Amino acid sequence: NAGVMQNPRHLVRRRGQEARLRCSPMKGHSHVYWYRQLPEEGLKFMVYLQKENIIDESGMPKERFSAEFPKEGPSILRIQQVVRGDSAAYFCASSLFSTSAWETQYFGPGTRLLVL
Amino acid sequence: AQRVTQPEKLLSVFKGAPVELKCNYSYSGSPELFWYVQYSRQRLQLLLRHISRESIKGFTADLNKGETSFHLKKPFAQEEDSAMYYCALMGNQGGKLIFGQGTELSVKP
Repeated sequence: NAGVMQNPRHLVRRRGQEARLRCSPMKGHSHVYWYRQLPEEGLKFMVYLQKENIIDESGMPKERFSAEFPKEGPSILRIQQVVRGDSAAYFCASSLFSTSAWETQYFGPGTRLLVL
Repeated sequence: AQRVTQPEKLLSVFKGAPVELKCNYSYSGSPELFWYVQYSRQRLQLLLRHISRESIKGFTADLNKGETSFHLKKPFAQEEDSAMYYCALMGNQGGKLIFGQGTELSVKP
């Protein structure tokens, strides 16, 4: 099991461009979470998705950010019209589906986004 | 408000010394608490969690509901313990993790 995969690992965009970050969960995992880490800060929750459903988007900025987890393929975090303040590390995590509310989340290596 | 606080940004100890990384939380309910570790150039990985009551790599953590703390302890630090440590909380509905700011542990020879 290769673990949670994220690509690209590094992404450079100019202000106003779009950024697409991809996350492939661990095999058998149907829950995906996205977190953002700004410089010198801890990880901040953004969104929680199951296949074809957004479960909790309470941490997502209201504008320019969107996320999806389609039936087939990776989860995508999309940032439109990027600004310098979007520069951060974006981490994806996945967990199993179970009746337990407290499933362990396994993290990917992150995507470092730099906006010039 | 749901919050996790790690008061120390950097903790430096000598090899063989005891180490305690502090974690306090604020949550109206009974959360699950986790410690994640990130070694240099590696991904974030689970070190231990309260519900498992395990000792991993010599580390333990006790949940103190009265003090709302989940401090991470190890009696004798090793150089390979040098890493970034994050305390995190999951509410009783599951889902998102709420992280502290992290503590960098440096173990000197």
